[in-house]
Amino acid sequence: EVQLVESGGALVQPGGSLRLSCAASGFTFSNYWMNWARQAPGKGLEWVANIKSDGSVKYYLDSLKGRFAISRDNAKDSLYLHMNSLRVEDTAVYYCARGLESTPNHFDPWGQGTLVTVSS
Amino acid sequence: EIVLTQSPAALSLSPGERATLSCRASQSVSSYLAWYQQRPGQAPRLLIYDVSNRATGIPARFSGSGSETDFTLTISSLEPEDFAVYYCQQRRNWPLTFGGGTKVEIK
Repeated sequence: EVQLVESGGALVQPGGSLRLSCAASGFTFSNYWMNWARQAPGKGLEWVANIKSDGSVKYYLDSLKGRFAISRDNAKDSLYLHMNSLRVEDTAVYYCARGLESTPNHFDPWGQGTLVTVSS
Repeated sequence: EIVLTQSPAALSLSPGERATLSCRASQSVSSYLAWYQQRPGQAPRLLIYDVSNRATGIPARFSGSGSETDFTLTISSLEPEDFAVYYCQQRRNWPLTFGGGTKVEIK
């Protein structure tokens, strides 16, 4: 069974940093693009970043460039999101999601999400 | 940035009825549009990709159509588990963007 399990969400003060992790299982992780998306409380979905199967190409939401960094460790079947200079508006559930094999920029499946709360 | 506008924002229907959800793009996305379902407290689930291709395990009552800027998700006969929020998403241009969602409620 394909499974994605996020971890690392926490309550953090404005200006703080956090690293989210996503553990993948049930598929050959190194063959797929991977994504992070987020959902603020009571709001819609927002794509954050993605990374090519070998880690050589990365794309970001423009407004997050310079503060967030996506990475992966194919030896550990793991995806990461490094978040710096966190702001109150970064409060959200963060999901990792696998890209489709044929169309990497549509997402299936998604993990259950991890909550990041930025507050003083 | 391509803006996706979904309508209506909410739809009140009874089980067994047909649901028709709309997604309009601010510029052409060609056929690069997907639909997701999100039930309360759950992660999104891919239903349809590239306009009309059902994802693995998705029932045939879900279908997608459209092209360029106007797209439709149709649920032919609503089951109790279909009452949820539905999002469209484009992959034509960066950044990848989602619509604001349509909530399908029980009447």
